[in-house]
Amino acid sequence: GQNIDQPTEMTATEGAIVQINCTYQTSGFNGLFWYQQHAGEAPTFLSYNVLDGLEEKGRFSSFLSRSKGYSYLLLKELQMKDSASYLCAVRDSNYQLIWGAGTKLIIKP
Amino acid sequence: ETGVTQTPRHLVMGMTNKKSLKCEQHLGHNAMYWYKQSAKKPLELMFVYNFKEQTENNSVPSRFSPECPNSSHLFLHLHTLQPEDSALYLCASSQASGDQETQYFGPGTRLLVL
Repeated sequence: GQNIDQPTEMTATEGAIVQINCTYQTSGFNGLFWYQQHAGEAPTFLSYNVLDGLEEKGRFSSFLSRSKGYSYLLLKELQMKDSASYLCAVRDSNYQLIWGAGTKLIIKP
Repeated sequence: ETGVTQTPRHLVMGMTNKKSLKCEQHLGHNAMYWYKQSAKKPLELMFVYNFKEQTENNSVPSRFSPECPNSSHLFLHLHTLQPEDSALYLCASSQASGDQETQYFGPGTRLLVL
């Protein structure tokens, strides 16, 4: 079966750095997405990785290792508004998105 | 962000009611999706439409009936639902290009079935 694993919940401190991991087992790979979802709102696109390595976008970076079936989302200089759920999704060989259950990130002052 | 809109935002219905959810995308995309999101579970893909044609139906019960009259509008017709159908229903759209094809989501309809 296809599976995406990410921690259910993480807590971090304002101003700090946090890394949210995602491991996947899918039938094929055609890209990995990270989305942010604030409570009661739409998931919003954060990043896309299809090749190995690090993609940086301001305070957020996303890393991919296809050989290890592994990605992480790195959030720097955390702000209170970063409190949200972070969803990892992998596009499989049929171009379907397989979703993780999301990681709820709690930022404390 | 008003690229994808959904109405209503909240809906309470009894098991014998019939209601419809509406989604509209203003992004010029050619693919639209319905997802179900339950607490602490992954997003479940329900239906996919490409160029108004349904291309995916992931074993969704017949009490959910989608309709896509054009590439900008998507409906989900609901009838005789069960309490376990209570969830957040998300609509998304994308430009099917074979490349990144990022999906953009609406704010969802929070459905409660009594």
